[in-house]
Formats: sequence, structure tokens, C-alpha cells
Amino acid sequence: DQQVKQNSPSLSVQEGRISILNCDYTNSMFDYFLWYKKYPAEGPTFLISISSIKDKNEDGRFTVFLNKSAKHLSLHIVPSQPGDSAVYFCAATTASGDMRFGAGTRLTVKP
Amino acid sequence: GAVVSQHPSRVICKSGTSVKIECRSLDFQATTMFWYRQFPKQSLMLMATSNEGSKATYEQGVEKDKFLINHASLTLSTLTVTSAHPEDSSFYICSARDLTSGGRAKNIQYFGAGTRLSVL
Repeated sequence: DQQVKQNSPSLSVQEGRISILNCDYTNSMFDYFLWYKKYPAEGPTFLISISSIKDKNEDGRFTVFLNKSAKHLSLHIVPSQPGDSAVYFCAATTASGDMRFGAGTRLTVKP
Repeated sequence: GAVVSQHPSRVICKSGTSVKIECRSLDFQATTMFWYRQFPKQSLMLMATSNEGSKATYEQGVEKDKFLINHASLTLSTLTVTSAHPEDSSFYICSARDLTSGGRAKNIQYFGAGTRLSVL
């Protein structure tokens, strides 16, 4: 039962352009959403999060948008840099802390 | 953010041996830690929730006797893969939450660097 879905396994973007990573969820009990970045052979690194009471959260080049009615969130990276190349996991959690992850999207930023 | 240390980063063992993986929260106390397994090109699969001072909660399909979890202190959880077989070869990752964080930030899980287990 995949409650968090990232339908794009990979994304390739030119350096300087915007990267948009998408995530959909099915469980309406999720009320806190997170994005993690992961390099090969390393653990995921927390990137940015958003509470369900907000529709946007911005941190430098990273912005997360939440559309509760559509059960959809997205991560925008602008401008994209080669060092952003990694696998990005979307995660959602309930108030009790039960967290589920998407399958990840591999972002490649080309110089 | 909070720091989680995982050791070893890589282990190669013979079939039938047991392997212990340690997960430590370095700058905070973690009453709850999580153990994940990641298969190649797949997502993180939650194996179990490790609870300090009590038994771990295992996800459906995860063998309790195969993957022993001990959470003896507020900063240390261990995962022991008993009688390892080649099919246990995988990338194991632990995480912890800093419950002293304010608001919903306490739901952020901080991950260790992972352990690559190869069973020959």
C-alpha cells in the first residue's frame, strides 16, 4: 500500500533552471510533509518540511508547495546547481509520527 | 539539525554469522529510533521502531528473530542481523527524532549514514 508516491523516477535539468519534483499522497491523516536528499551510499539528509496548515515554505533556493485538496506537494529548486544532483525522497507523517516515504526521484543537474 | 551516527558503514560477512549495527544519537536523546532497509533503486522500507526500554515494534513481514533490536539507552539502538544469508545483503539505515524540538519539528527524522551489508 503505497501511501506516498513519486511518479517520476528521474528528472534531468540544466544548471540554472528550475527543478520541480512532485509527490502525491493518499492518506488524509498525513499532516506534516518533508523532503530528504540522498547521495549514494549515504543516509538521507533532511532538506525542508511543511505543515498542513501552510501551502508554502521557502528556504533559500528550496521551496515546498502543498495542495491539500489535491493531496499533492512539490519541491522547487531554483536555480538548480550540479551539486543538487541526488535522489530526493518525499515523506509524509501523521501527528503520531508514523512516516512513509515515496520511492524517490533521481535529479540530475547538467552543467 | 540533530546528528545520528551509524556504525559500521560497511560490513562483509560469511553466511551464517551475525552482524551488529549501532545507531547513536550524538547531541540529543532519542526514546524512539527507526530502522530502515533500502533495496537498490527503491524507497526506504521501515523495518521496525525501536523503543528505549521496551520491545521494538516490527512492521509486517519483518522477522523479529532474524532482526534483533535492542534500545538499551536513550542514545543507542542496535540492530543485529542473526544468521545472515546472502538475501539479507542490503543497505540498512537508522534514524531518530529529537522530541525536544518545538512544534511539528519533532517529527523530523534524522538519519545515520547507513550500513552496507554484504553476505557472502
